[in-house]
Amino acid sequence: AQSVTQLDSHVSVSEGTPVLLRCNYSSSYSPSLFWYVQHPNKGLQLLLKYTSAATLVKGINGFEAEFKKSETSFHLTKPSAHMSDAAEYFCVVISPGGYQKVTFGTGTKLQVIP
Amino acid sequence: DSGVTQTPKHLITATGQRVTLRCSPRSGDLSVYWYQQSLDQGLQFLIQYYNGEERAKGNILERFSAQQFPDLHSELNLSSLELGDSALYFCASSVAGGLNNEQFFGPGTRLTVL
Repeated sequence: AQSVTQLDSHVSVSEGTPVLLRCNYSSSYSPSLFWYVQHPNKGLQLLLKYTSAATLVKGINGFEAEFKKSETSFHLTKPSAHMSDAAEYFCVVISPGGYQKVTFGTGTKLQVIP
Repeated sequence: DSGVTQTPKHLITATGQRVTLRCSPRSGDLSVYWYQQSLDQGLQFLIQYYNGEERAKGNILERFSAQQFPDLHSELNLSSLELGDSALYFCASSVAGGLNNEQFFGPGTRLTVL
C-alpha cells in the first residue's frame, strides 16, 4: 500500500521568514517523491523531485526538500518566503517498477503575509 | 506557459451526457497523462498514453476512456456523466514514458455537470 500525508492543510508565514511544508509517506518500495506547486487557476508545476540520488534535493525558486528514509518524510523548505510563493503545494509519491502507482497528498495552501 | 494546451477551458453539461476533452502535448513530448482534481477526491491520476499506446492506468472509471492519436494529441471521453464528475481535468505531457519523468501541465478544463 502507498499513501501520502501532508500534515498541514494551511500554512501562513510572513514575507521574508522561512517556509516549512511537511509531507510524510508510506510505501512498500523505494518510491520517487515530488513536490508540485499550483497557483490559483493554473496547472501544476514541478518544484523538485527525489529519485534515489542525493537526499537533499534543490528545486526551483529557492525551494529544497530533504528525503529522510528513517522518518519517511520529504518536507519542503525555503529560507525566505516571497509573496509570489502563495499557492497550493502537493507532495506526490510514485512507486517504482513496471506497475507504477501515483498518489497525491491533499495539498497545503501557503499564505504569505506582507 | 507550459506548452500544453487543453480545450475547452470550461464545459457545462447535464447528467447523463457525454463530453470529450482535448489535449495537445508540448512539441516533442510522447507521453500524455490525464488527471482529475475535485473537492471530494483531491488530485487523482487517471491514465497515461505513450506514443499512442496505453502505458499506465490509475483511478479511471469505466465510463471514462481516453486515446492518443498519431499526431500525439489526446482525448478524454467522459460518458453517462454524474454530478460527482464535476471537476478540473488536467492533461500533462513528458518526453519519456515513466510516470516519474518531469511532467508539464496544461491549464485544465473545468467540467460542471448540472
